[in-house]
Amino acid sequence: EDQVTQSPEALRLQEGESSSLNCSYTVSGLRGLFWYRQDPGKGPEFLFTLYSAGEEKEKERLKATLTKKESFLHITAPKPEDSATYLCAVLSLYGSSNTGKLIFGQGTTLQVKP
Amino acid sequence: DAGVIQSPRHEVTEMGQEVTLRCKPISGHNSLFWYRQTMMRGLELLIYFNNNVPIDDSGMPEDRFSAKMPNALFSTLKIQPSEPRDSAVYFCASSLWAGGLTTLETQYFGPGTRLLVL
Repeated sequence: EDQVTQSPEALRLQEGESSSLNCSYTVSGLRGLFWYRQDPGKGPEFLFTLYSAGEEKEKERLKATLTKKESFLHITAPKPEDSATYLCAVLSLYGSSNTGKLIFGQGTTLQVKP
Repeated sequence: DAGVIQSPRHEVTEMGQEVTLRCKPISGHNSLFWYRQTMMRGLELLIYFNNNVPIDDSGMPEDRFSAKMPNALFSTLKIQPSEPRDSAVYFCASSLWAGGLTTLETQYFGPGTRLLVL
C-alpha cells in the first residue's frame, strides 16, 4: 500500500535558523512527489513537484530534493511568514492506468519565531 | 481568477440532519476532487471527477455520503444522515487534466468547509 510519512510532526525555529523537513514514502513506482503549504483556515497551496531521484527545485527560501526513498524540504534562513503546515504527497496510480490520486502525509507544522 | 469557491465556509448541524456542501471549480478545469481533513487521518481523497464523471469514489466513507457533478461549473457533496464523526474540514480542489499525469499534481484547493455535527 502506498504510504507517506512526514517528520517531525512539529518544528519550532528561530528566524534565520535553517532546517529540513523529511518526507519518507513507499509507492510502487514513483510518478511524482509533491509539496504543499497550508496556512491555518486555508486550503493547501501547491509548491513543488519532483519526478525523479536527484531532482531539486527551489522557491525563495525553500528547496525540495528527492531520493529513491525520501524527500527533504530545506528551509534556509526562515522568516515568520514561512510558518505553516507543509504537506507531502505521492501520486498513486490506478492499476495500469495513466491517472491516479494523491496520497498525503500528515504534515509538519512549522513555527518560525522572530 | 476567483479560485475554487466553496460554500458554506462553516456549518454546524445536529446529528441526523442532511448536510450539503458546494463547490465551484476554477473555470476551464476538468477535474474536481473532494477531500476530507481531520487531525487523526490527515487529508483524504473522498471522490474524484474527470469531465463530470466520477473516476474514483473508493474514499467515500459509506452510503451516507454522495457526490454529484451535474456540469463543469458545480459540484455537491451530501451527507445524509450526518453523524458526529463526520465533523471535519472538507476541501474541494480542481485541476486541468490534459490526459496524462503531468497536470494531476497542480490541484488548486478551495478554502474548505468546516463541518461540525453535534
